[in-house]
Amino acid sequence: GQQLNQSPQSMFIQEGEDVSMNCTSSSIFNTWLWYKQDPGEGPVLLIALYKAGELTSNGRLTAQFGTTRKDSFLNISASIPSDVGIYFCARGAAGNKLTFGGGTRVLVKP
Amino acid sequence: DAGVIQSPRHEVTEMGQEVTLRCKPISGHNSLFWYRQTMMRGLELLIYFNNNVPIDDSGMPEDRFSAKMPNASFSTLKIQPSEPRDSAVYFCASSLEGAGNQPQHFGDGTRLSIL
Repeated sequence: GQQLNQSPQSMFIQEGEDVSMNCTSSSIFNTWLWYKQDPGEGPVLLIALYKAGELTSNGRLTAQFGTTRKDSFLNISASIPSDVGIYFCARGAAGNKLTFGGGTRVLVKP
Repeated sequence: DAGVIQSPRHEVTEMGQEVTLRCKPISGHNSLFWYRQTMMRGLELLIYFNNNVPIDDSGMPEDRFSAKMPNASFSTLKIQPSEPRDSAVYFCASSLEGAGNQPQHFGDGTRLSIL
Protein backbone atom coordinates (compact mmCIF):
# COMPACT_ATOMS: atom_id res chain seq x y z
CA GLY A 1 0.00 0.00 0.00
CA GLN A 2 0.96 3.63 -0.19
CA GLN A 3 3.09 4.61 2.77
CA LEU A 4 3.62 7.85 4.60
CA ASN A 5 7.10 8.54 5.90
CA GLN A 6 6.98 10.69 8.99
CA SER A 7 10.10 12.13 10.59
CA PRO A 8 11.62 12.36 13.01
CA GLN A 9 10.31 9.33 14.87
CA SER A 10 10.97 11.10 18.14
CA MET A 11 12.36 14.38 19.39
CA PHE A 12 13.16 16.09 22.64
CA ILE A 13 11.97 19.62 23.21
CA GLN A 14 13.06 22.29 25.61
CA GLU A 15 10.50 24.83 26.69
CA GLY A 16 10.54 27.80 24.36
CA GLU A 17 12.07 25.99 21.40
CA ASP A 18 10.55 25.85 17.93
CA VAL A 19 10.22 22.31 16.57
CA SER A 20 9.35 20.89 13.21
CA MET A 21 8.27 17.54 11.82
CA ASN A 22 7.30 16.42 8.35
CA CYS A 23 5.57 13.79 6.31
CA THR A 24 6.35 12.63 2.80
CA SER A 25 4.77 10.28 0.34
CA SER A 26 5.58 8.96 -3.11
CA SER A 27 2.06 9.74 -4.29
CA ILE A 28 0.01 12.90 -4.71
CA PHE A 29 -2.83 13.52 -2.27
CA ASN A 30 -5.61 16.06 -1.94
CA THR A 31 -5.76 16.22 1.84
CA TRP A 32 -3.25 16.35 4.67
CA LEU A 33 -4.34 16.19 8.28
CA TRP A 34 -2.29 16.56 11.45
CA TYR A 35 -3.39 14.92 14.71
CA LYS A 36 -2.02 14.87 18.25
CA GLN A 37 -2.45 11.98 20.66
CA ASP A 38 -2.03 12.42 24.41
CA PRO A 39 -1.43 9.37 26.62
CA GLY A 40 -4.60 7.35 27.20
CA GLU A 41 -6.62 9.31 24.68
CA GLY A 42 -7.51 9.14 21.03
CA PRO A 43 -5.90 11.31 18.34
CA VAL A 44 -7.30 14.83 18.15
CA LEU A 45 -7.36 16.80 14.92
CA LEU A 46 -5.03 19.83 14.95
CA ILE A 47 -4.99 21.12 11.39
CA ALA A 48 -6.54 20.10 8.06
CA LEU A 49 -5.00 21.11 4.71
CA TYR A 50 -6.86 20.81 1.40
CA LYS A 51 -4.85 22.74 -1.19
CA ALA A 52 -1.28 22.56 -2.43
CA GLY A 53 0.76 25.37 -0.91
CA GLU A 54 -1.83 26.02 1.79
CA LEU A 55 -0.38 27.34 5.05
CA THR A 56 -2.63 27.13 8.08
CA SER A 57 -2.10 28.07 11.71
CA ASN A 58 -3.81 26.95 14.89
CA GLY A 59 -2.36 28.90 17.80
CA ARG A 60 1.34 28.06 18.04
CA LEU A 61 0.96 25.35 15.40
CA THR A 62 1.55 25.96 11.71
CA ALA A 63 1.21 23.37 8.97
CA GLN A 64 1.79 23.55 5.24
CA PHE A 65 0.63 21.42 2.33
CA GLY A 66 3.66 21.06 0.06
CA THR A 67 3.43 22.46 -3.44
CA THR A 68 4.23 19.06 -4.95
CA ARG A 69 1.26 17.62 -2.99
CA LYS A 70 3.55 14.88 -1.73
CA ASP A 71 4.58 16.33 1.59
CA SER A 72 3.53 18.39 4.58
CA PHE A 73 5.21 19.83 7.64
CA LEU A 74 4.05 20.84 11.08
CA ASN A 75 5.82 23.49 13.17
CA ILE A 76 5.32 24.14 16.86
CA SER A 77 6.60 27.51 18.00
CA ALA A 78 7.69 28.36 21.55
CA SER A 79 7.03 24.82 22.79
CA ILE A 80 5.56 24.25 26.24
CA PRO A 81 5.44 21.07 28.36
CA SER A 82 1.90 20.19 27.27
CA ASP A 83 3.11 19.88 23.67
CA VAL A 84 4.42 16.46 24.67
CA GLY A 85 2.62 13.65 22.90
CA ILE A 86 2.55 11.81 19.61
CA TYR A 87 1.87 13.76 16.42
CA PHE A 88 0.47 11.95 13.40
CA CYS A 89 0.14 13.06 9.83
CA ALA A 90 -2.62 11.51 7.76
CA ARG A 91 -3.61 11.71 4.15
CA GLY A 92 -7.01 11.36 2.59
CA ALA A 93 -7.57 8.58 0.12
CA ALA A 94 -10.27 7.15 -2.08
CA GLY A 95 -13.57 6.58 -0.41
CA ASN A 96 -13.47 8.05 3.04
CA LYS A 97 -10.27 6.45 4.31
CA LEU A 98 -7.26 8.02 5.97
CA THR A 99 -3.76 6.60 6.04
CA PHE A 100 -1.63 7.57 9.02
CA GLY A 101 2.09 8.11 9.32
CA GLY A 102 4.07 6.31 12.00
CA GLY A 103 3.97 9.30 14.34
CA THR A 104 6.50 11.67 15.88
CA ARG A 105 6.88 11.23 19.61
CA VAL A 106 7.63 14.57 21.28
CA LEU A 107 9.30 14.33 24.67
CA VAL A 108 10.68 16.85 27.14
CA LYS A 109 14.44 17.18 27.45
CA PRO A 110 15.58 15.89 30.81
CA ASP B 1 -21.16 18.31 22.26
CA ALA B 2 -20.60 14.62 22.87
CA GLY B 3 -17.72 13.13 20.96
CA VAL B 4 -17.24 9.54 19.90
CA ILE B 5 -17.99 7.30 22.87
CA GLN B 6 -16.32 3.93 23.27
CA SER B 7 -16.82 1.23 25.87
CA PRO B 8 -15.34 -0.35 27.78
CA ARG B 9 -12.23 1.81 28.31
CA HIS B 10 -10.26 -1.20 29.48
CA GLU B 11 -10.80 -4.92 29.03
CA VAL B 12 -8.70 -7.74 30.38
CA THR B 13 -9.71 -11.27 29.53
CA GLU B 14 -8.27 -14.71 29.00
CA MET B 15 -7.47 -16.06 25.58
CA GLY B 16 -10.29 -17.91 23.94
CA GLN B 17 -12.95 -15.61 25.34
CA GLU B 18 -15.22 -13.49 23.18
CA VAL B 19 -14.58 -9.76 23.33
CA THR B 20 -17.06 -7.10 22.22
CA LEU B 21 -16.07 -3.47 21.83
CA ARG B 22 -18.72 -0.79 21.44
CA CYS B 23 -18.85 2.59 19.76
CA LYS B 24 -21.33 5.44 19.54
CA PRO B 25 -20.36 7.88 16.77
CA ILE B 26 -20.97 11.61 16.78
CA SER B 27 -24.60 12.33 15.98
CA GLY B 28 -25.01 13.23 12.32
CA HIS B 29 -21.79 11.53 11.21
CA ASN B 30 -22.47 8.84 8.65
CA SER B 31 -19.02 7.26 8.39
CA LEU B 32 -17.57 5.10 11.14
CA PHE B 33 -14.09 3.59 11.37
CA TRP B 34 -12.46 0.97 13.57
CA TYR B 35 -8.68 1.18 14.10
CA ARG B 36 -6.15 -0.85 16.05
CA GLN B 37 -3.02 0.76 17.52
CA THR B 38 0.10 -1.11 18.59
CA MET B 39 3.68 -0.01 19.12
CA MET B 40 4.89 -2.23 16.31
CA ARG B 41 2.32 -1.43 13.64
CA GLY B 42 1.00 2.00 14.61
CA LEU B 43 -2.56 2.94 13.68
CA GLU B 44 -4.17 0.42 11.35
CA LEU B 45 -7.60 0.77 9.79
CA LEU B 46 -9.59 -2.41 10.33
CA ILE B 47 -12.93 -1.62 8.72
CA TYR B 48 -15.14 1.33 7.90
CA PHE B 49 -18.84 1.89 7.31
CA ASN B 50 -20.73 4.50 5.31
CA ASN B 51 -24.40 4.87 6.20
CA ASN B 52 -24.23 1.68 8.30
CA VAL B 53 -22.92 -0.39 5.37
CA PRO B 54 -19.43 -1.95 5.55
CA ILE B 55 -17.39 -0.46 2.71
CA ASP B 56 -13.90 -1.80 3.23
CA ASP B 57 -12.97 -4.59 5.63
CA SER B 58 -9.61 -5.38 4.06
CA GLY B 59 -7.84 -4.43 7.28
CA MET B 60 -9.63 -7.00 9.40
CA PRO B 61 -6.86 -9.39 10.39
CA GLU B 62 -8.76 -12.66 10.16
CA ASP B 63 -12.11 -14.33 10.53
CA ARG B 64 -11.97 -14.07 14.29
CA PHE B 65 -12.73 -10.37 13.87
CA SER B 66 -16.19 -9.11 12.91
CA ALA B 67 -17.88 -5.72 12.99
CA LYS B 68 -21.48 -4.63 12.76
CA MET B 69 -23.35 -1.36 12.58
CA PRO B 70 -27.03 -2.10 13.17
CA ASN B 71 -27.97 1.60 13.17
CA ALA B 72 -26.48 5.05 12.75
CA SER B 73 -25.66 5.45 16.43
CA PHE B 74 -24.02 2.16 17.35
CA SER B 75 -21.30 -0.19 16.17
CA THR B 76 -19.57 -3.23 17.63
CA LEU B 77 -16.24 -4.90 16.96
CA LYS B 78 -16.13 -8.50 18.09
CA ILE B 79 -13.19 -10.86 18.49
CA GLN B 80 -13.99 -14.53 18.91
CA PRO B 81 -11.95 -16.38 20.04
CA SER B 82 -9.47 -13.81 21.35
CA GLU B 83 -5.71 -14.40 21.33
CA PRO B 84 -2.84 -12.66 23.17
CA ARG B 85 -1.65 -11.06 19.91
CA ASP B 86 -4.96 -9.17 19.75
CA SER B 87 -3.82 -7.06 22.71
CA ALA B 88 -3.84 -3.44 21.55
CA VAL B 89 -5.75 -0.19 21.83
CA TYR B 90 -8.82 -0.18 19.59
CA PHE B 91 -10.16 3.14 18.41
CA CYS B 92 -13.45 4.07 16.84
CA ALA B 93 -13.70 7.25 14.77
CA SER B 94 -16.51 8.95 12.89
CA SER B 95 -16.82 11.59 10.22
CA LEU B 96 -19.17 13.02 7.67
CA GLU B 97 -19.08 11.07 4.43
CA GLY B 98 -16.75 12.60 1.90
CA ALA B 99 -14.13 11.89 -0.73
CA GLY B 100 -11.30 11.22 1.70
CA ASN B 101 -11.20 14.79 2.90
CA GLN B 102 -13.44 14.73 5.92
CA PRO B 103 -11.57 14.86 9.23
CA GLN B 104 -12.19 11.88 11.46
CA HIS B 105 -12.97 12.33 15.16
CA PHE B 106 -11.68 9.65 17.48
CA GLY B 107 -12.96 8.16 20.71
CA ASP B 108 -10.62 7.59 23.63
CA GLY B 109 -10.16 3.93 22.74
CA THR B 110 -10.50 0.57 24.42
CA ARG B 111 -7.29 -0.85 25.84
CA LEU B 112 -7.57 -4.61 25.36
CA SER B 113 -5.32 -7.11 27.10
CA ILE B 114 -5.66 -10.80 26.31
CA LEU B 115 -3.87 -13.02 28.82
